[in-house]
Amino acid sequence: DTAVSQTPKYLVTQMGNDKSIKCEQNLGHDTMYWYKQDSKKFLKIMFSYNNKELIINETVPNRFSPKSPDKAHLNLHINSLELGDSAVYFCASGQRPYNEQFFGPGTRLTVL
Amino acid sequence: AQSVTQLGSHVSVSEGALVLLRCNYSSSVPPYLFWYVQYPNQGLQLLLKYTTGATLVKGINGFEAEFKKSETSFHLTKPSAHMSDAAEYFCVVRWRGSQGNLIFGKGTKLSVKP
Repeated sequence: DTAVSQTPKYLVTQMGNDKSIKCEQNLGHDTMYWYKQDSKKFLKIMFSYNNKELIINETVPNRFSPKSPDKAHLNLHINSLELGDSAVYFCASGQRPYNEQFFGPGTRLTVL
Repeated sequence: AQSVTQLGSHVSVSEGALVLLRCNYSSSVPPYLFWYVQYPNQGLQLLLKYTTGATLVKGINGFEAEFKKSETSFHLTKPSAHMSDAAEYFCVVRWRGSQGNLIFGKGTKLSVKP
């Protein structure tokens, strides 16, 4: 059974389009995260939800909007895609207190 | 300011040699510490973690790390490298009292020569 899954794995789209990435975890964790990995492999937190409540919202353009319908799902919607949005996006889930996190396989987004 | 630093963006070792990947943090309070590995075109996998207790922690695939408070370090070691260890390794911290987000080092790419 896949612990943290993401769809799609690859996403190629044109500038200006709107796209969504879905994430699901079956670990029973109470917190989920979105991270962005740039072309130099640097990973940075974007958002975090705890029991469907947004608790971390780093400096991310408001074109990015996370949505958590329940604590097992965290989706990421991106409006008006730009070239600089090209990256690998990772979903993760974790459980307090130490927040060891389990990562999904990633979604490679390419904006043309 | 709090930070996590990995020394060496690229480390190359021969198969069978010792692997040593360095990580230092900057904080007055020791954070929770993790090492993650990312194999090519894959997600991240937790290798090991230090939260409390014994300062020498053992992880998967023969890796271990030692938390040294006096040196603010958490270096990753493996006695004998295998070809399958070639990957990107990330030292990661979670500051105590934070909301839980992980702060990643810039990563060290490990190459293993036959």
